[in-house]
Amino acid sequence: DAGVTQSPTHLIKTRGQQVTLRCSPKSGHDTVSWYQQALGQGPQFIFQYYEEEERQRGNFPDRFSGHQFPNYSSELNVNALLLGDSALYLCASSASTGQGEKLFFGSGTQLSVL
Amino acid sequence: GEDVEQSLFLSVREGDSSVINCTYTDSSSTYLYWYKQEPGAGLQLLTYIFSNMDMKQDQRLTVLLNKKDKHLSLRIADTQTGDSAIYFCAEISMNSGYSTLTFGKGTMLLVSP
Repeated sequence: DAGVTQSPTHLIKTRGQQVTLRCSPKSGHDTVSWYQQALGQGPQFIFQYYEEEERQRGNFPDRFSGHQFPNYSSELNVNALLLGDSALYLCASSASTGQGEKLFFGSGTQLSVL
Repeated sequence: GEDVEQSLFLSVREGDSSVINCTYTDSSSTYLYWYKQEPGAGLQLLTYIFSNMDMKQDQRLTVLLNKKDKHLSLRIADTQTGDSAIYFCAEISMNSGYSTLTFGKGTMLLVSP
């Protein structure tokens, strides 16, 4: 059973560019959340997707957007990249029924903005 | 708003017990978690506790919850060098809803031989 998978593992972009990160949830999970982890910090909640809609959002600007597909996979898009967007982006999946309190994380995408 | 605080660093010798502490502010927290992060890796769910419990044991791990003081601890018995990592405390609260986690900044555990 594959866990949460994310791609790519590393990415280098320049300021002003746009980036798309991808996540496939753990089998049986239908809810995907995205977190940003800056160096030396704990992860910060960006948003959560369920039934292909953004269900909840953290304190992030509109430059951060996402999408969930019918197969529950998800994308995180960041427009007009800033140096401060450099971070590890983590995807977490959970089930809306049963043990929805268990969130499992992928290995993350390390984004560097130059 | 919600806030989770942890001490930043802990150093122990192999074979000793490690105790990592965490305090949180949201009294509506329903679940509290411990995640482990090794260098260059994602977060591994170690254990979690429901807020109506005061203790949970899972092999070498013991979680203690003092809801009155909003204090959570993780005890690792017989700590090994492979336990060296950053440990994050996190909570889910009814205020944030929908399984969104609020994390502390993490405690770096260094285990020396």
